[in-house]
Amino acid sequence: QSALTQPASVSGSPGQSITISCTGTSSDVGSYNLVSWYQQHPGKAPKLMIYEGSKRPSGVSNRFSGSKSGNTASLTISGLQAEDEADYYCCSYAGSSLWVFGGGTKLTVL
Amino acid sequence: QITLKESGPTLVKPTQTLTLTCTFSGFSLSTSGVGVGWIRQPPGKALEWLALIYWDDDKRYSPSLKSRLTITKDTSKNQVVLTMTNMDPVDTATYYCAHGTSFDYWGQGTLVTVSS
Repeated sequence: QSALTQPASVSGSPGQSITISCTGTSSDVGSYNLVSWYQQHPGKAPKLMIYEGSKRPSGVSNRFSGSKSGNTASLTISGLQAEDEADYYCCSYAGSSLWVFGGGTKLTVL
Repeated sequence: QITLKESGPTLVKPTQTLTLTCTFSGFSLSTSGVGVGWIRQPPGKALEWLALIYWDDDKRYSPSLKSRLTITKDTSKNQVVLTMTNMDPVDTATYYCAHGTSFDYWGQGTLVTVSS
């Protein structure tokens, strides 16, 4: 059970769209539509932004969307805003009731 | 309204056993389908899933830490307890508990430092 692979950093200007990838294997991301995404601001607890691959919890902006292709899941943020600057983590079910997180991606809004 | 809060020591010595308690409200761990998990985050590093306990007392552990972890629940007290044996400085981290298998609600976290 290895950590999912995310880019260390991504950046974008206000109003632009960015995509963060999360690459796993056929044993986790590729086998289940159970990827979730979390936003974490400095010193704060993570916040669920996307679950079950593409579903948004109540209260999360529709600027956030999730998708998957093969062993790679993606989080897209459209209409980038300054408040979106944070760390983002993916998490996938890995079978047998086990879970695995990604290494995290730092989003910078230029 | 679902809330969770972690409690436990802020400082433990190497080789000691860490015991953390997650006290929650707004849901019951006796309800079918419900689970509570533990996740940790070393300073400046990524999140790491540790363990999860389900309403039916099914327990799951990270394979890399399985030998050191024990998770239990007290449904009457709305608490979940995580113990980790043989603590090492590399276990210094903020420890979080979270609701469900989507981890949709998180506690504020508690920083545990391992040092002699």
